[in-house]
This record gives sequence, structure tokens and C-alpha cells, in this order.
Amino acid sequence: DGGITQSPKYLFRKEGQNVTLSCEQNLNHDAMYWYRQDPGQGLRLIYYSQIVNDFQKGDIAEGYSVSREKKESFPLTVTSAQKNPTAFYLCASNPRGSYTGELFFGEGSRLTVL
Amino acid sequence: RKEVEQDPGPFNVPEGATVAFNCTYSNSASQSFFWYRQDCRKEPKLLMSVYSSGNEDGRFTAQLNRASQYISLLIRDSKLSDSATYLCVVNVQSNSGGSQGNLIFGKGTKLSVKP
Repeated sequence: DGGITQSPKYLFRKEGQNVTLSCEQNLNHDAMYWYRQDPGQGLRLIYYSQIVNDFQKGDIAEGYSVSREKKESFPLTVTSAQKNPTAFYLCASNPRGSYTGELFFGEGSRLTVL
Repeated sequence: RKEVEQDPGPFNVPEGATVAFNCTYSNSASQSFFWYRQDCRKEPKLLMSVYSSGNEDGRFTAQLNRASQYISLLIRDSKLSDSATYLCVVNVQSNSGGSQGNLIFGKGTKLSVKP
């Protein structure tokens, strides 16, 4: 079945460690996104990519990095520079140029920094 | 003023009730509007788009009022399975034509339907 796969679903890390969250899609979508969600908060855009080898900062990119070497993959690294990394991270995709507003989300990765 | 504002709730309603949520947005250049549903600790999923003339999908009706800059979602005959958080999402088109970076999510309205 087509979809978006995020891994791991749950991740615990010590403060000061970098972590990389995986996002893979087999929907043949050009555009991919990373959002962060905190309890009682709306989704906030971290990074997005509309095409391979290109990506743009979202509203809260500081302390994060991404790469887009393959169409299917858009990994997110949470670096030690991110002041408050504990959150629910959601990866999404949609066809490039789509104005339908439908984002296809993965099941999310819940990161807890101890 | 926040870009997309929703009453966080919770709205606690009995099964069979009709419930309505409103959402206001601040950017008058907003192009398109959506309601997403998010179950507890799960990913959001598109519930329905909101069209200028209003639209209905079964028990769900969405309305847009551009003059007052708000959208609404009406749920009739509430079911237990409707319990979730409903996210209002607004799309502001960018000059580059790629609108995907401009989806603004509200914080959501929590609905709890009781037996």
C-alpha cells in the first residue's frame, strides 16, 4: 500500500545528542514536509522540500537540518542546538503544485529528550 | 492577532447532538481552507475542504465567510467515533506559486461525544 513511513515511532535521547528521524514515501510525491506538534499547539512547519536536492526553511528551522537526496526520502536531524526538542514530529507529502491542501501524513515520531 | 484561531474546547456533547466549530483567520489573502481531523496521538487527516459556496459531506457541513474571515464546521447527529480534535487549516498562496509552504494550522478544537 502507498503511504508515508516514519521511524522510529518513539525515541528517547539524552540532552546534547543529535537524532535523525526517518521519513520515506512511496506515493511518488514531489513535495515533502516536516512539522512539529507540541501539546495543545498547532502544527508548525520546520522544513519543506518541493523537489529533490532542494529544501526550504519553515517557521521554526533553527536547530534542525534536512536532506533530500532521493525523492522518496526526507530525513530530519534534530541537533543539539535545538533548545526544546521533545515533541511529536510529523512528516507529510503531497504532489508538487497541488493546491488541494491535502497533506498525507506519516504516523509521526515522538521524541523525548531526557 | 493569531493567524488561525480556534476555540480549544473541549466540546462535550451527547450522542446525536449537533455541534458547530468556528475558526477565524487573519490573512485576507488566504486562498483555500480545510478541516482536518486528528485522533489522540495520531496524525492529522483531511476531513474536508471548504468551498466558498459551502459544502456538505454526509453529516458534516463546512461554511466559509470571507467578509468576516471565518470558517465553520457543523457536525449533525454526533457519533462516538467523531470524538477527536478538529484542525482548521488555511492556505496562503505564495508568490512563487508553491503554496504548500503556507499551510497554517490552527491549534484545534477538541470534541468529545459521550454515550
